[in-house]
Amino acid sequence: AQSVTQPDIHITVSEGASLELRCNYSYGATPYLFWYVQSPGQGLQLLLKYFSGDTLVQGIKGFEAEFKRSQSSFNLRKPSVHWSDAAEYFCAVGAKETGANNLFFGTGTRLTVIP
Amino acid sequence: NAGVTQTPKFRILKIGQSMTLQCAQDMNHNYMYWYRQDPGMGLKLIYYSVGAGITDKGEVPNGYNVSRSTTEDFPLRLELAAPSQTSVYFCASRLAGPSYNEQFFGPGTRLTVL
Repeated sequence: AQSVTQPDIHITVSEGASLELRCNYSYGATPYLFWYVQSPGQGLQLLLKYFSGDTLVQGIKGFEAEFKRSQSSFNLRKPSVHWSDAAEYFCAVGAKETGANNLFFGTGTRLTVIP
Repeated sequence: NAGVTQTPKFRILKIGQSMTLQCAQDMNHNYMYWYRQDPGMGLKLIYYSVGAGITDKGEVPNGYNVSRSTTEDFPLRLELAAPSQTSVYFCASRLAGPSYNEQFFGPGTRLTVL
């Protein structure tokens, strides 16, 4: 069965600093991988996804993520964080085979940005 | 397009009461989902539907029921509310086809059962 681990519950960074959020997944084949962002009181918004091809994917708001099969990881990065990036970030894995095509989510990483 | 809409935004129920959480989408998506998000946890799938008249259970279906009579609407029913159902409920939808198609989420319903 698929599963996702986000080891960091809470991360604090200064505005302008770089950011990396970790995500490890468990799945027997090549997964589909997603990063979603949730602002307070809002639904989830897709930042980026990987499903094939180039292992470095670019997303919205200046985010990128790299799929590393050997490490079962899909870490999210941003070179310079803005105060508006403060939010909860969820990594999710989807499978090609399941009929539901639903997503399995990690527990999330809360990002605080210090001015 | 309004996208995915959910009503109500907030609700407090007493133990044993029932209610229906409404979800609608105007994107003509075949696939629709209900998730719950407990504090400090990721989203867990309650029920899903791949089209009108077709529904199936997810990871945590106990205590809930769904129906899908139209493509647009996917209501979630709680028959006998319990404190364990206190959570934030998200509805999502996506196009049919490859499972890497993006799921679009509604803003959520925050439910408290006392």
